[in-house]
Amino acid sequence: AQSVAQPEDQVNVAEGNPLTVKCTYSVSGNPYLFWYVQYPNRGLQFLLKYITGDNLVKGSYGFEAEFNKSQTSFHLKKPSALVSDSALYFCAASASGAGSYQLTFGKGTKLSVIP
Amino acid sequence: DAGVIQSPRHEVTEMGQEVTLRCKPISGHDYLFWYRQTMMRGLELLIYFNNNVPIDDSGMPEDRFSAKMPNASFSTLKIQPSEPRDSAVYFCASTSRWERGGRDEQFFGPGTRLTVL
Repeated sequence: AQSVAQPEDQVNVAEGNPLTVKCTYSVSGNPYLFWYVQYPNRGLQFLLKYITGDNLVKGSYGFEAEFNKSQTSFHLKKPSALVSDSALYFCAASASGAGSYQLTFGKGTKLSVIP
Repeated sequence: DAGVIQSPRHEVTEMGQEVTLRCKPISGHDYLFWYRQTMMRGLELLIYFNNNVPIDDSGMPEDRFSAKMPNASFSTLKIQPSEPRDSAVYFCASTSRWERGGRDEQFFGPGTRLTVL
C-alpha cells in the first residue's frame, strides 16, 4: 500500500526567509507526486507535480519541489516566504500504473509565515 | 469554467437523518472523486468514478454511504442514516486524462461541511 508522510504538523518561518515543507512517500514503482495548498474554508488548490524528467519542479506562486528518489522525498520549497503563503499544505502520491487518478495524501503541514 | 461545484456548502442535520451531498464536475472531465476530511484521519478517498462508472469504492466506510453518478455532470454522495461520527468536510474533485498532457492534477470543489448532531 502506498503512503505519504509529512513529518511536521506545523512550520513557522519569518517573512522573507526561505521555507521548506517536508514530504516522504512510499509507492511501488515510479511515483507521481503532487503538492496542494488549502486556505481556510476552501478546497485544495494544485501547486505543482512531478511525473518524470527534471528532479526540480517549479509551480505556482514561486513554489518549487525537489524529487529525490534515493531518499523517497519530495520537499516543497520557496526562496522567500510571504505572509500570504500561510496555509495548509498537502503532499500526495500515486503509483505510475494508476496515473494520477488515485491519490494518497499526507496529513498536511500548517505553514505560518510571521511578518 | 466555474470549477467544481458542490452543494450545499454547509449542512447541519440530526442523527438518523438522510443527507445528500451534490457535485458538478468540470465540464469535459471524465474522472470524479469523493473525499472526506477530518482532523483525526486527514483526507481520505471514499470513491471514484470514470465515465460515470464507479471504479473503486473501497474507501466507503459503511453501507450507510452510497454514491451515484447518473450522468457526466452530476454526482451525489448519500449517507443514510447519518451519525455524529460522519461529521466532516466532504470534497468532490474531478480530472481529465487528457488535460495538460495526460497525467493531471485533480481540481477540488469548495467542500461541504457536514455536522451531524
